[in-house]
Amino acid sequence: AQSVTQLGSHVSVSEGALVLLRCNYSSSVPPYLFWYVQYPNQGLQLLLKYTSAATLVKGINGFEAEFKKSETSFHLTKPSAHMSDAAEYFCAVTSRVNAGNMLTFGGGTRLMVKP
Amino acid sequence: NAGVMQNPRHLVRRRGQEARLRCSPMKGHSHVYWYRQLPEEGLKFMVYLQKENIIDESGMPKERFSAEFPKEGPSILRIQQVVRGDSAAYFCASAPFRDEQFFGPGTRLTVL
Repeated sequence: AQSVTQLGSHVSVSEGALVLLRCNYSSSVPPYLFWYVQYPNQGLQLLLKYTSAATLVKGINGFEAEFKKSETSFHLTKPSAHMSDAAEYFCAVTSRVNAGNMLTFGGGTRLMVKP
Repeated sequence: NAGVMQNPRHLVRRRGQEARLRCSPMKGHSHVYWYRQLPEEGLKFMVYLQKENIIDESGMPKERFSAEFPKEGPSILRIQQVVRGDSAAYFCASAPFRDEQFFGPGTRLTVL
């Protein structure tokens, strides 16, 4: 079984400050990991994904995440927050062994950006 | 290439009615997934389908919920005799064979 824990359901940062959204996963097999962003009343947009290549993954909109197997973590970062980054962020896990590739999501972190 | 399309975007039903949610996958995608997002929660997997086959329905409630993906036409998620607890956002995602899932905009179901 796989699971994802996102620490902090709400994170508030000032515009221009570092963004750090935490994600820890549990998986008995090598995981594939994803970060999605959801704007109000919209669907999910893929930010980035880890699929066993480079452990530091760069995504869209200046976001990146680092896969740390020893810590079972896949934290999302961005050096400088913009107002447009305010949204809900979801971390998700699946695996190649999971024949269906269905995603298991964390509970989400709502990012607020203060001017 | 149009993205994943879902309709309706918003659906209001009274308790006991049926809800039908449609999902048209991206062109060339033969894998469809349905997820449900309850208020203030993350998405939960419901069912995984390929054309004319249900591959995994381990996340579907045992009663009142069904899904299909016919040879022609969209995938349908059907909820019979809706109850207030069914109020949620239902997202469809499609994928080429075992690859990244692309999500639709969702259908927000409200049960009065």
